[in-house]
Amino acid sequence: LAKTTQPISMDSYEGQEVNITCSHNNIATNDYITWYQQFPSQGPRFIIQGYKTKVTNEVASLFIPADRKSSTLSLPRVSLSDTAVYYCLVGDRDTGRRALTFGSGTRLQVQP
Amino acid sequence: GAVVSQHPSRVICKSGTSVKIECRSLDFQATTMFWYRQFPKKSLMLMATSNEGSKATYEQGVEKDKFLINHASLTLSTLTVTSAHPEDSSFYICSARAMGHKAPKETQYFGPGTRLLVL
Repeated sequence: LAKTTQPISMDSYEGQEVNITCSHNNIATNDYITWYQQFPSQGPRFIIQGYKTKVTNEVASLFIPADRKSSTLSLPRVSLSDTAVYYCLVGDRDTGRRALTFGSGTRLQVQP
Repeated sequence: GAVVSQHPSRVICKSGTSVKIECRSLDFQATTMFWYRQFPKKSLMLMATSNEGSKATYEQGVEKDKFLINHASLTLSTLTVTSAHPEDSSFYICSARAMGHKAPKETQYFGPGTRLLVL
């Protein structure tokens, strides 16, 4: 499994754009990049998934450079409710095929 | 999206007692469910993989006789912490893989978690 590296924590203010970068130097050709969000005392929640270039949904954008050795989760105009831990995972497109290996994640704290 | 529930959401028990945690897939069938454990400020750690109708597969270091897993139906898996001790206090999270469900690319759905406190 490709190992991922993320910043341990980030701070931001309401209304700002937050970009969380994840390194995955050993990503395999068939691997997808998936981001999960976890609020305190809740289970993780899928945010976005991508393979290359850019993916956007109603929650976030995911930027993946051509070499796919890193990816950046972009949260536009964060609010206090975006305070959570964000996990970057690399693996099957079908994230349910096997158990997920979570790294340390990035703890985002949004201030008013 | 698909919903996974857990019951109870939190439980406090005395040392030496057993506690059962239920994980249910509410609107889909789940042949495979996963059980994770999470300590404060730490990441999720896989405990075991639960397959319907067969024995669970435990991760190295997880005592199968202490953490009993039963996946008796396609919508229910249970985790029983036997003879619980204070060091078993943790946040237990289950997840389920949706089969035959019209889901987006992501098909592992997580429950809300159960917080266990052993006194």
